[in-house]
Parts: sequence; C-alpha cells; structure tokens
Amino acid sequence: AQSVTQPDIHITVSEGASLELRCNYSYGATPYLFWYVQSPGQGLQLLLKYFSGDTLVQGIKGFEAEFKRSQSSFNLRKPSVHWSDAAEYFCAVGVTGQNFVFGPGTRLSVLP
Amino acid sequence: GAGVSQTPSNKVTEKGKYVELRCDPISGHTALYWYRQSLGQGPEFLIYFQGTGAADDSGLPNDRFFAVRPEGSVSTLKIQRTERGDSAVYLCASSPGNRGTTDTQYFGPGTRLTVL
Repeated sequence: AQSVTQPDIHITVSEGASLELRCNYSYGATPYLFWYVQSPGQGLQLLLKYFSGDTLVQGIKGFEAEFKRSQSSFNLRKPSVHWSDAAEYFCAVGVTGQNFVFGPGTRLSVLP
Repeated sequence: GAGVSQTPSNKVTEKGKYVELRCDPISGHTALYWYRQSLGQGPEFLIYFQGTGAADDSGLPNDRFFAVRPEGSVSTLKIQRTERGDSAVYLCASSPGNRGTTDTQYFGPGTRLTVL
C-alpha cells in the first residue's frame, strides 16, 4: 500500500541555522511529490512540488527539496531558518489516478 | 474572495446531531476535495469531486458521511448522527484541473468540528 513517512515528529532549530525535514514514500509508480506548510490558524500552503526533470526543486520562502529515487526520499531544506518558519510541515504524494496521501507531519520550532 | 473559504470556522455539536460543513472553492476550479485532519496527524482524504459528480468517495469512513456539489461549485459535507470520534478539522481544497496529481491544490482554512 502507498504510504508517506516523516520520521521526525518535532524538530527544534535555532534561528539562522540550517534545516532538513525528511520525507520517505512507498509507491510502485513514480509519484508526484509536494511539500505543504500549515501555520497555526491558517490553511495549508504549497511550498514546492516535483513532477519530473531536475531533482532539486526550488520553492517559496527560500525552501528547496531534493528528490532521490534510489532512497525514495524527498527531503525539504532551508539554509537559514527564520522565526516565522515555525509551523507544521507536510509531505504529500500523488500518483496519477489516485488521491493525495499526506505524511503525518513534522512540527518545526525555532529558537530565538 | 480569491481563496477557498469554509464555513463555519468552528462548529460545536452534541453527539447524535446532524451537521453541515460548507466549502466555497476558487472560482473556475473544477476539482474539489474534502479531507479530515485529526489532532497531530496529516490530512486524510475523504472525497473528490470533478464538476458535480463525486469521482471518488473511497475515503468516506461510513454511510453517516455524505457530500454534494450540485452546481459544480459550492460543496457541502454532511455528517449524520455525529459521534465524538468525528471531532476533527475538516479541510476543503480545490484545483483547476484533474485529480490533484499535477495540479496544485488550494486549501481553505478548515472547519473545526467538536462533538460533545
């Protein structure tokens, strides 16, 4: 069965530090990959998506993600975290003809 | 408005009651999705509309849940005989084309349902 895992439930980083959030998926077909962010009281916002081509994808707010087929991973990165990045981050996977499956999320806290 | 809107933002009801949750998608978006998000979890797919028809309702947990989109725009999620386990945030999303795999889904702020 298709699944999406985000191994880290909660991550805390200091403002200005680098960030990597992990995402792994289990699918038979090549999936479409997404990262969404959910801030308190706000709706889910798309950060970036990968369909094909260059495996390093640039998104909004300075985020990027790298697709690694051999590792079935799509990790999200940011070189320097800002306090406003504190939120819940969700990896999601779509396969043609099927529905989105979201991972359980990683909560990011940012220390001043 | 420009985004997806959902009403009400909060709904408190008693066990056994009937509730309706409304979603207003972005104008012109043909696809509409409902998700349920329990505390500490990622959104879980419930149902997907393409136009007026439910293209996939495989995520609805049981026959107490039903959704309609009669004119291909606004959608209503209906829950009969609510149970405490139905308490969650119900999210709606819309996209301009097909089944979300290549389209970006635009999410509303959600309706927080609490069943006492």
